[in-house]
Amino acid sequence: AQTVTQSQPEMSVQEAETVTLSCTYDTSESDYYLFWYKQPPSRQMILVIRQEAYKQQNATENRFSVNFQKAAKSFSLKISDSQLGDAAMYFCAHNTDKLIFGTGTRLQVFP
Amino acid sequence: DGGITQSPKYLFRKEGQNVTLSCEQNLNHDAMYWYRQDPGQGLRLIYYSQIVNDFQKGDIAEGYSVSREKKESFPLTVTSAQKNPTAFYLCASSIEGWYGYTFGSGTRLTVV
Repeated sequence: AQTVTQSQPEMSVQEAETVTLSCTYDTSESDYYLFWYKQPPSRQMILVIRQEAYKQQNATENRFSVNFQKAAKSFSLKISDSQLGDAAMYFCAHNTDKLIFGTGTRLQVFP
Repeated sequence: DGGITQSPKYLFRKEGQNVTLSCEQNLNHDAMYWYRQDPGQGLRLIYYSQIVNDFQKGDIAEGYSVSREKKESFPLTVTSAQKNPTAFYLCASSIEGWYGYTFGSGTRLTVV
């Protein structure tokens, strides 16, 4: 069965600093996709970044990047130059035929 | 603009009543999904449908029912058999796994 684990219920970071959110997953599939979603107080789910399992290169989207370690089944999100607008819940998700989410990490950003 | 519309945004029902949550998309996506979100538990999959007239149970389907008579629509009925229906419900759709899912803005259901 697919599972996704986010072991950090809450994280905090100073504005302009860097923070890393952790995620591990379990799957028996060899080809799959991984995602990070952001959920601000509006509760709208926003796709932040995605990674295909067969690609070795880590995905990057502006200030957001991932560290994908397939053998370790690890998929962490790094946010550089943190901004106040980055404060939100962040969900890691794994997809084969359906998208399975972790329990989320609440990120606080302090000025 | 293409997107997913969930209605209503807030819904109140008395215990023991069935209630149907609406989800409509104009993205021409084949697959649609329903998730439930409770505090501290992330999003849990209730039902999903990858094609019209076909759907599968997710991890927490008990007490819920769905239909998929049209590509654009995937309504969710919360039945009286659902023991704790108060939650935030999110509908999503996708065209292919790589593109991730597009989400609606959610329905907050409160049962009193």
